[in-house]
Amino acid sequence: AQRVTQPEKLLSVFKGAPVELKCNYSYSGSPELFWYVQYSRQRLQLLLRHISRESIKGFTADLNKGETSFHLKKPFAQEEDSAMYYCASRKPGAGSYQLTFGKGTKLSVIP
Amino acid sequence: GAGVSQTPSNKVTEKGKYVELRCDPISGHTALYWYRQSLGQGPEFLIYFQGTGAADDSGLPNDRFFAVRPEGSVSTLKIQRTERGDSAVYLCASSLIAGATGELFFGEGSRLTVL
Repeated sequence: AQRVTQPEKLLSVFKGAPVELKCNYSYSGSPELFWYVQYSRQRLQLLLRHISRESIKGFTADLNKGETSFHLKKPFAQEEDSAMYYCASRKPGAGSYQLTFGKGTKLSVIP
Repeated sequence: GAGVSQTPSNKVTEKGKYVELRCDPISGHTALYWYRQSLGQGPEFLIYFQGTGAADDSGLPNDRFFAVRPEGSVSTLKIQRTERGDSAVYLCASSLIAGATGELFFGEGSRLTVL
């Protein structure tokens, strides 16, 4: 079974400091990987996915197959980045629809 | 509506009662998913519909849980003989297409409390 581990329940950083939210996955193949975010009083929404190699709101995430990691990074944290962040994986292939989520990390950006 | 709509937003019930939770997906989205999020946990997959049929119900915890989507749009999650352990936020999501690239759009969830 797939497993996604987010080791930090809470991460506090000062505004302007770099941010790294850790995510490790257990699947031995090449899963699809995602970061979802939930801002206060808003619904869960997709932040970015590894296949797009995109940067959204200044965040990037690099897939490291050797370390089975997909850490989320931002060079300069902003107050509006405060939110719950969930890493998720999905097995590759047309018949796979389940997302497996980590337990989430609450990011708090201190002004 | 513009997004996935879930009702009720909050439901308090007594142990042993029957509960229905409704999800209205984004218009035109053929794929619909139910997830359950317990306190301090990430969302856990329950069931996936492609059109009217349940393509994958492997996440349903036991036979007290059942979901339908009779016309390929609105879905109802049904929980019989509720137990205190069923207390959680039940999330519905929809996507335009299923599979690896389909972005999931989540509703705000239905918070179920079983006393």
